Amino acid sequence: NAGVMQNPRHLVRRRGQEARLRCSPMKGHSHVYWYRQLPEEGLKFMVYLQKENIIDESGMPKERFSAEFPKEGPSILRIQQVVRGDSAAYFCASSAHSNQPQHFGDGTRLSIL
Amino acid sequence: AQSVTQPDIHITVSEGASLELRCNYSYGATPYLFWYVQSPGQGLQLLLKYFSGDTLVQGIKGFEAEFKRSQSSFNLRKPSVHWSDAAEYFCAVGAKSGGGADGLTFGKGTHLIIQP
Repeated sequence: NAGVMQNPRHLVRRRGQEARLRCSPMKGHSHVYWYRQLPEEGLKFMVYLQKENIIDESGMPKERFSAEFPKEGPSILRIQQVVRGDSAAYFCASSAHSNQPQHFGDGTRLSIL
Repeated sequence: AQSVTQPDIHITVSEGASLELRCNYSYGATPYLFWYVQSPGQGLQLLLKYFSGDTLVQGIKGFEAEFKRSQSSFNLRKPSVHWSDAAEYFCAVGAKSGGGADGLTFGKGTHLIIQP
């Protein structure tokens, strides 16, 4: 069953390192969304991408964070020079169209030492 | 900008009892509305959605929700809960112009505890 696949499930980085989170959408889905979940909080929208295009990045921090969804391969959320505050669960979702329900992956738990 | 309020952080219900989780939203037009459930360490699973039409929507696992425009609410209900329903429940709103155009806005969640 090809649901939304995220890897790694858990990622540990030291302050100043780079974190790369990967997301493969469901088969047939070309819309990808990234969300961040902090403890005791709901999910916060970060960025919405279609193949090779960023549609809405209004929720992305202005520095250190970037996202891409290349023509081939998974979507990547990249965090440069990580800090303790980046520790969170990062979820990816995909949909077939922008007005269709989003289906979520199991997330990547990022821990910063 | 849209917002979602889930007034109850925790709710405790006895197994077999009925359940209602509250959700209020703020949005300038009729939104897309969703309920998701999250078990510990897992992603979110879609329970049900409201896009248009009948304001009472049925979902998976015996859940239903009712969209009330006058109250800006989309409360989730289940007539009889099971121990396996213990989880975190999130209400979310999406822009009507395209459910993902702005990404979904989530409430902070309600933690459901089931008593034996």
